[in-house]
Amino acid sequence: GENVEQHPSTLSVQEGDSAVIKCTYSDSASNYFPWYKQELGKRPQLIIDIRSNVGEKKDQRIAVTLNKTAKHFSLHITETQPEDSAVYFCAARMDTGGFKTIFGAGTRLFVKA
Amino acid sequence: DVKVTQSSRYLVKRTGEKVFLECVQDMDHENMFWYRQDPGLGLRLIYFSYDVKMKEKGDIPEGYSVSREKKERFSLILESASTNQTSMYLCASRQNYEQYFGPGTRLTVT
Repeated sequence: GENVEQHPSTLSVQEGDSAVIKCTYSDSASNYFPWYKQELGKRPQLIIDIRSNVGEKKDQRIAVTLNKTAKHFSLHITETQPEDSAVYFCAARMDTGGFKTIFGAGTRLFVKA
Repeated sequence: DVKVTQSSRYLVKRTGEKVFLECVQDMDHENMFWYRQDPGLGLRLIYFSYDVKMKEKGDIPEGYSVSREKKERFSLILESASTNQTSMYLCASRQNYEQYFGPGTRLTVT
């Protein structure tokens, strides 16, 4: 089955710096890759997603890139702010097998003011 | 605005008790999911349902069962709670691509 690995598990950056979180997936049939942000004590919320027919997608300070050949995708946050501090989850989804979404283990991002 | 609600935010149960976790969504979504969230393990899928009375095992179904009698409601059942089921339980619903999560139930089994 699908397996998603996420790195790093913890990331600490200075306010204003960039943060990059990387994920790899195992099943080449995966065709949808969402990123979720979970603030302390709150539910995960979708922040950006990318489909396998697109190589890069950007939304203000966040961007996601996808390399289908290498089976990895990354989240980039530029000009980080303290409110970006949260746990970020990557995920991969197949259109077979009942539409399961498999999540990475999460990255705890600390943005120091 | 999609709303996914869960019956309890915090729950404390004893070993061996039968536990019901309820999830309700108000957007007529067909797909509903139950995950458990543990530190360092991310979100792991327990069960999901793609229609009323339909259910599929996820990656860690052992010790759990589910019920979906109505489209808006998806229940997770712990037949006989054990201490290793102490966790945060998250329900989600989905229509197309985006999953919408409930606020979570933190279950402690003593």
